[in-house]
Amino acid sequence: DAKTTQPNSMESNEEEPVHLPCNHSTISGTDYIHWYRQLPSQGPEYVIHGLTSNVNNRMASLAIAEDRKSSTLILHRATLRDAAVYYCILKGQAGTALIFGKGTTLSVSS
Amino acid sequence: DAGVIQSPRHEVTEMGQEVTLRCKPISGHDYLFWYRQTMMRGLELLIYFNNNVPIDDSGMPEDRFSAKMPNASFSTLKIQPSEPRDSAVYFCASSLRRGALDTQYFGPGTRLTVL
Repeated sequence: DAKTTQPNSMESNEEEPVHLPCNHSTISGTDYIHWYRQLPSQGPEYVIHGLTSNVNNRMASLAIAEDRKSSTLILHRATLRDAAVYYCILKGQAGTALIFGKGTTLSVSS
Repeated sequence: DAGVIQSPRHEVTEMGQEVTLRCKPISGHDYLFWYRQTMMRGLELLIYFNNNVPIDDSGMPEDRFSAKMPNASFSTLKIQPSEPRDSAVYFCASSLRRGALDTQYFGPGTRLTVL
C-alpha cells in the first residue's frame, strides 16, 4: 500500500469547520482512501472512505483531488468530542491489514 | 451487536509471567486482526486470521508471542514469558471482508504493563 503524509497536529475552535489534509502522491488507480480516527483511550474507528468522487456521511466529508494525489477530510462543525488522532490510509484491492502512519492530532478548543 | 470485545481491559504483570489477551470479534466477520500500539512505533499489525486460519504473522515480534483462533468467535494473543518492552495497548479488530472496501472495527484495547 502506498504511503500517506499528514501534518502532525492541527488546532480548531468548537463549531468551526476543520480541513485535515493528506498527501498520497504515489496512490495507484485502484487504491481507496480511508480515514480512521482514534479518540483518547479508545480503539481506532472508521470515519469515511472514497475512490475518486467526493463522499459525505453523517460524520464527515471527504474531498478528493482530481489527480487523486491528495485528499481532505472535512469536519463541518468541530465539537470537543472530535479531538482525536486522524489517520489517512490507502487500501488496495489486495490490501487486508491497515497500515497506520503517525496521523494528525486534532485539538479542539471551546 | 456489542462490537468487538476484548478482555481484560487492563493487565499488570511481572516480567517472566505468561499473559493472555482475549478477543471476541463481531459475529459474522471473517477477518480478525491483532494490533499493538506504543508511543515509539505507533499502531502496527501483529497477525491476522481469515476464517480462523492465521494468514500473516510477520508482525509478531518474537517466538514469545503466539496467537490462536480456535473458533469464529474467539481469539487469544499470548505472551510467554512477558518482558517490560511488551508494555503497550493491544487492539483486536474484525472485518467482514478483505480488500479496498473493507472496514475494520476495533475493540477498546487491552493496556498491558509488564513490570
